[in-house]
Amino acid sequence: GQQLNQSPQSMFIQEGEDVSMNCTSSSIFNTWLWYKQDPGEGPVLLIALYKAGELTSNGRLTAQFGITRKDSFLNISASIPSDVGIYFCAENAGGTSYGKLTFGQGTILTVHP
Amino acid sequence: DTEVTQTPKHLVMGMTNKKSLKCEQHMGHRAMYWYKQKAKKPPELMFVYSYEKLSINESVPSRFSPECPNSSLLNLHLHALQPEDSALYLCASSRDTGNEQFFGPGTRLTVL
Repeated sequence: GQQLNQSPQSMFIQEGEDVSMNCTSSSIFNTWLWYKQDPGEGPVLLIALYKAGELTSNGRLTAQFGITRKDSFLNISASIPSDVGIYFCAENAGGTSYGKLTFGQGTILTVHP
Repeated sequence: DTEVTQTPKHLVMGMTNKKSLKCEQHMGHRAMYWYKQKAKKPPELMFVYSYEKLSINESVPSRFSPECPNSSLLNLHLHALQPEDSALYLCASSRDTGNEQFFGPGTRLTVL
């Protein structure tokens, strides 16, 4: 089945530093989604990308849909303690599996004040 | 109203109990989903409903039975669960199956 490789698995950074994480796939996709999940809560959608090459920002977050349609990255600038959580990339399968989200394994972010 | 709500927040049940999880959205979304999530793992899709019809069942055991009474509600009926079914159960919705999905806060289920 489809697999998403997300890296890094975890990051320990100081407050104020920038963060970068990425996802790669062996298949071509039409949608890349980035979610953040706090402990005990549901994932919250951060950014949705629908076009190859698309670069989208949401406050301190920036994400890009790779030109090959097989990868995406998420950057967080000037990290703050509330950025702590697990970040997941996800893609939406097409065809008969439309609606099936496949997730990366997640990046656990820890921010030290 | 731009959120997905789930009840209950927490549920503890025995292996012989029958219980139900409920999910509701009032965003006019026509696709709704159930996911299961273990600690520090990504969510795993269980079921997809599109226009109130079951469109995807990811080979989920029959002790989990989904129901979509109308376009705003999604239930997950639980019966004869096993301890390994303990997890966070997430509901999500989207405008259509091709659109971004919005998740509820989840129900933390413990099976004793």
